[in-house]
Amino acid sequence: AQSVTQPDIHITVSEGASLELRCNYSYGATPYLFWYVQSPGQGLQLLLKYFSGDTLVQGIKGFEAEFKRSQSSFNLRKPSVHWSDAAEYFCAVGQNYGGSQGNLIFGKGTKLSVKP
Amino acid sequence: DAGVTQSPTHLIKTRGQQVTLRCSPISGHKSVSWYQQVLGQGPQFIFQYYEKEERGRGNFPDRFSARQFPNYSSELNVNALLLGDSALYLCASTQGEQFFGPGTRLTVL
Repeated sequence: AQSVTQPDIHITVSEGASLELRCNYSYGATPYLFWYVQSPGQGLQLLLKYFSGDTLVQGIKGFEAEFKRSQSSFNLRKPSVHWSDAAEYFCAVGQNYGGSQGNLIFGKGTKLSVKP
Repeated sequence: DAGVTQSPTHLIKTRGQQVTLRCSPISGHKSVSWYQQVLGQGPQFIFQYYEKEERGRGNFPDRFSARQFPNYSSELNVNALLLGDSALYLCASTQGEQFFGPGTRLTVL
């Protein structure tokens, strides 16, 4: 069955420290992978996506993610965390229907807290 | 350009009632998807519509239904509400990727 696992429910990092959020997926075909961020009471904002090509993907707000097929992983990283990065982060896998994206399967999310 | 809009923002219903949630996609987008996000969980796929036809359905009971109109806006209907239907309902407009609206917070008492 298709699934996404985010092993860390809650992570706390100091402002200025580096960050890595883990994501593992189970998907039969070539996966299309996404990271979204959600602030409290808000919708989801796309940080970055991987469809094909270079396995290191750059996103908005200084985030990057690396697709590792051998490990079925798509971990999110940021070299220096800012207090405004505190939010919940969701990894998702999706299908592509001829260029139009199908439904997404989300992980349960990782809540990021940032301490001064 | 306006993003994805959803209405209402918040809604309180009682068990057994029916509710209709509305979504307007980004102009030019022909596909709309609906997701349910229970507190503390990731969003779960409910429906996807493309050009007014259902393209996909998640594992939700028949109490959940949806439709898409000629202008590509969409409604999600939930009948016979249960306490467990309390959630944030997210609409996504799709063109190449999914763009999410702010959601409708439904509380069932």
